[in-house]
Amino acid sequence: DTGVSQDPRHKITKRGQNVTFRCDPISEHNRLYWYRQTLGQGPEFLTYFQNEAQLEKSRLLSDRFSAERPKGSFSTLEIQRTEQGDSAMYLCASSGRGSSGNTIYFGEGSWLTVV
Amino acid sequence: QQQVKQSPQSLIVQKGGISIINCAYENTAFDYFPWYQQFPGKGPALLIAIRPDVSEKKEGRFTISFNKSAKQFSLHIMDSQPGDSATYFCAASLSHSGANNLFFGTGTRLTVIP
Repeated sequence: DTGVSQDPRHKITKRGQNVTFRCDPISEHNRLYWYRQTLGQGPEFLTYFQNEAQLEKSRLLSDRFSAERPKGSFSTLEIQRTEQGDSAMYLCASSGRGSSGNTIYFGEGSWLTVV
Repeated sequence: QQQVKQSPQSLIVQKGGISIINCAYENTAFDYFPWYQQFPGKGPALLIAIRPDVSEKKEGRFTISFNKSAKQFSLHIMDSQPGDSATYFCAASLSHSGANNLFFGTGTRLTVIP
């Protein structure tokens, strides 16, 4: 399978705990994105990497959120001191170079439930 | 501020009918308009996309119609099938800026009745 893979697919955590999600993009894709999606809404942009550089962060990404992409390969999204409002699906996506750069391919998402 | 407005929120169509979903945008600089299909529990998957230099793009049963002057675009699903039942999202972006500026509509939940 050469698609975007995310792990874990589902996570239930208690309020105040830390959680980490991992994303493996499509190989050779230099851009990696994190989005958040809540029920009944479209995906909302969180942050974006080009290779290992984090180039943009949305205002939705509070100080409790941190993302990394060491060596420009896989990425992790960590949420510290989780709150119930963090419950959502966290989507990772990747895209390649050139004119097709806007064609982004999503993973199946990581569902987070904070209880 | 919703950059892309989508309607209807939900749609029920008989098998074989035409499903039509509409979107409108404000930023005239947007130059890439994709549609995504999402099944429950799955991530969105790119369905079809259009750039504003054409007014229509067709791929199989799916057609995007684009009206640059009205800042509107729509998805038409011909001969709708039960397997098309999913949530559809329109989106818009500035192609030169990458997908970090890809703005999604709020989605349309399509149900195709057998």
